[in-house]
Parts: sequence; structure tokens; C-alpha cells
Amino acid sequence: EVQLRESGGDLVQPGGSLRLSCAASGFTFNEYYMDWVRQAPGKGLEWVGRVRTKNHAYSTEYAASVKGRFFVSRDDSKNSVSLQMNSLQTEDAAVYYCVRGRNGFDNWGQGTLVTVSS
Amino acid sequence: DIQMTQSPSSLSASVGDRVTITCRASQDISESLTWFQQRPGKAPKSLIYDASILQSGVPSRFSGGGSGRDFTLTISSLQPEDFATYYCQQYKNYPYTFAQGTKLEI
Repeated sequence: EVQLRESGGDLVQPGGSLRLSCAASGFTFNEYYMDWVRQAPGKGLEWVGRVRTKNHAYSTEYAASVKGRFFVSRDDSKNSVSLQMNSLQTEDAAVYYCVRGRNGFDNWGQGTLVTVSS
Repeated sequence: DIQMTQSPSSLSASVGDRVTITCRASQDISESLTWFQQRPGKAPKSLIYDASILQSGVPSRFSGGGSGRDFTLTISSLQPEDFATYYCQQYKNYPYTFAQGTKLEI
């Protein structure tokens, strides 16, 4: 069974940083692109970013709203993907989901809540 | 960026009804479209990818169609567990973009 488990969500002040992690199991992790998607309270879904596989040089893609502030990385030895978030703004407050990026987005974690407030 | 628009934004229906939700892309996305269901307080669940392919384990009352700019999600006979919010998303070009969602209510 595919499992994705996010962690690291917290309350952070505007301008601060936070690192989210996602532990994957139940599939051959190094064969899959991995994505992050977020959802602000009461709002719709927003794709945040992607990290490709080793075969694609671990290259990344980002939404314009986070480019230059957020960074997606992966550690295939630990079956994990991370989202480093810097210069956080109030509009970054959301539930962040780790998502397996194949066949659309076929598997999602349960999400982790990031609150940005002073 | 490719803009995605769903209609209607909300829909009232009854158990047993057939309902269709439409999704339109601002440019041709071929069949690079996926549909999700989200129940309150839960993570989204993938229903359909490549516009019409059912994810494993998804009931056959769900179906998807379309290509290019116009797409549909049809539920042939609504069940109580189908009342949720539905989203379409394109993965033709980066940044991947979602529509605003359709809330399906009893």
C-alpha cells in the first residue's frame, strides 16, 4: 500500500523559514516524481512544486508564487521528499500535501498544516 | 499559465441522480487532465487521469471525457459518499493548475 506521511507543519512568523518532510513507503520511491500541493483554509488547491528523479538530474519546477523562496528536494536513500520554505508570508498559510506525481497525482498524503502569523 | 474553469461552482442533486461537471482549459491541453474528489477535512483523492482513465479502485459510476479544451466528469448514479468537492487539474504545462472546484451537495 502506498503511504505518504508529511511532517513539519508549525506556526511560524512572517519572514521565517520552515522545512516540511514527507516519508514515502509502499512503492519504488526513486522511480517517481514527487510534488507538493497546498490548500489555504477554505480555499482550492494550488500546485507548489515538483522534483524529478535521478534519471532527470533531480530537476525541479515551481509555481511562480513560491519560486525563489521554496525548494523541493529528495533523498532516495531515505525514501523522503522535503519542502524548504523561506521568507514565509501570510498567504503561504495552508495545508501542504505531499503527492506522488504519476498518472495525474495518484496518491496523496494526509497533509501538514503551516500557519504564518505574528 | 493555463487557466482552468469548472462549472457549475456548486450543484445540488439527489441520490441516484446523474450529474456532469465540466472543466475548460484556456488553451489546448490534449488529454493531460485529472479529476479529484475531496471530502471535508480529507486529502484529495484521484479519480481519473489522462482525461478518461479511471484510477484503480474508483467505482465505475465515475467517468471522464473530453480532449483539447473541454472536459467532463460524469457520475452516473449518485451515492451518499459522492457528495464532496470535485476539482480538475491540467498537467500539460508548468505551472500545473487547478480549477476552483465544484461543490456537490445533497
